[in-house]
Amino acid sequence: SQELEQSPQSLIVQEGKNLTINCTSSKTLYGLYWYKQKYGEGLIFLMMLQKGGEEKSHEKITAKLDEKKQQSSLHITASQPSHAGIYLCGASYGNALNFGKGTSLLVTP
Amino acid sequence: GAVVSQHPSWVICKSGTSVKIECRSLDFQATTMFWYRQFPKQSLMLMATSNEGSKATYEQGVEKDKFLINHASLTLSTLTVTSAHPEDSSFYICSARDRLGDYEQYFGPGTRLTVT
Repeated sequence: SQELEQSPQSLIVQEGKNLTINCTSSKTLYGLYWYKQKYGEGLIFLMMLQKGGEEKSHEKITAKLDEKKQQSSLHITASQPSHAGIYLCGASYGNALNFGKGTSLLVTP
Repeated sequence: GAVVSQHPSWVICKSGTSVKIECRSLDFQATTMFWYRQFPKQSLMLMATSNEGSKATYEQGVEKDKFLINHASLTLSTLTVTSAHPEDSSFYICSARDRLGDYEQYFGPGTRLTVT
């Protein structure tokens, strides 16, 4: 069973628009990671959240972990073509990171 | 920052042959490394956990006799795909956990395996 569910599966947005990607866990999260990946390439670490209610930002990307620590959202403001790629949330339930199925983002001119 | 390398970055091999992929932690020691596999347009799936000096732990459905893992030192883990078949063609990514740090995993750049 998939412990981490991501939505949407894919997203096409116009350049300059905002967007949100969600990640929901079936278990309490003790650490939630967001990565970006271009297909066929390695993972680019974006952010890690641990505390309920925590929010972190880097450039135009903001990630939040809800108080109950079972859901996280990734928000991109004023999207750019450089934001295109696959966004993966990952969580550790004791050992290795497990990943959601990913959200494919395409930013159109 | 912590860097993990993989070699080769891509490899093409013939069906029935074996291929070895190396995962190295360059500036830290890793008692634990992880091997993931990613098929096209799918997420990363954990294959096995590699522990230095002991046997690897495989996830359900992963054949341990086909995917041999050796973690002989604190900076090197190898994954050998034995008797490779076209369905083994995939993107293999390793990650390593710094034994002196927190539980963060650092990922390698991946190895693209194509079996013809």
